[in-house]
Amino acid sequence: EIVLTQSPGTLSLSPGERATLSCRATQSISSNYLAWYQHKPGQAPRLLVYGASSRAAGIPDRFSGSGSGTDFTLTISRLEPEDFAVYYCQRYGGAPFTFGQGTKLEIK
Amino acid sequence: QVRLVESGGGVVQPGRSLRLSCEASGFTFSSYGIHWFRQAPGKGLEWVAVVFYDGRKKYYLDSVEGRFTISRDNSKNMVSLQMNSLRAEDTALYYCARFNSLSAFDIWGQGTMVIVSA
Repeated sequence: EIVLTQSPGTLSLSPGERATLSCRATQSISSNYLAWYQHKPGQAPRLLVYGASSRAAGIPDRFSGSGSGTDFTLTISRLEPEDFAVYYCQRYGGAPFTFGQGTKLEIK
Repeated sequence: QVRLVESGGGVVQPGRSLRLSCEASGFTFSSYGIHWFRQAPGKGLEWVAVVFYDGRKKYYLDSVEGRFTISRDNSKNMVSLQMNSLRAEDTALYYCARFNSLSAFDIWGQGTMVIVSA
């Protein structure tokens, strides 16, 4: 089973700064079936990026995904107040559809 | 409006059963696989089960295999998760989500809470 490890566990930044979130897999993820989600308390998870680098519909272009194989990155170019949340990476090439443990992005 | 709405959560004693439902609207339900996920208090997201678009294939998280059963009724745009022999560790907010083969899990419900406690 492929395990996803996200780093850092918590990231403290200020609005306007750049955020870089990492997701590392124990095995190569085929066809880049890697997605990123934003999750806020009391809300449904929100798809940000699929296929490692394709932005989902309606997602602002300050969010970008990159990477391949075992190393993936979500970058938020310039943080807005509404971006502070927990972010998860997930592999979706087949069961089990595992997530990383999450990165909490908090206001500094 | 594309939407998924979960229902059926509640408080239940260990060893008892509960049935969750996920009702879809706004899209061609029979064309999409539907998954269940959960988030235990203070924990991250965890995949639980999937039923493929036609109901023929189903897969489960190892820890729920044999206790949970996922099913769908395409005539009612509904997916169900029958949860038997519930354990304290099944306590979580349960979400259903649509799997889009082009873009992963693009539509999620708001979740329904399951608490397993004596």
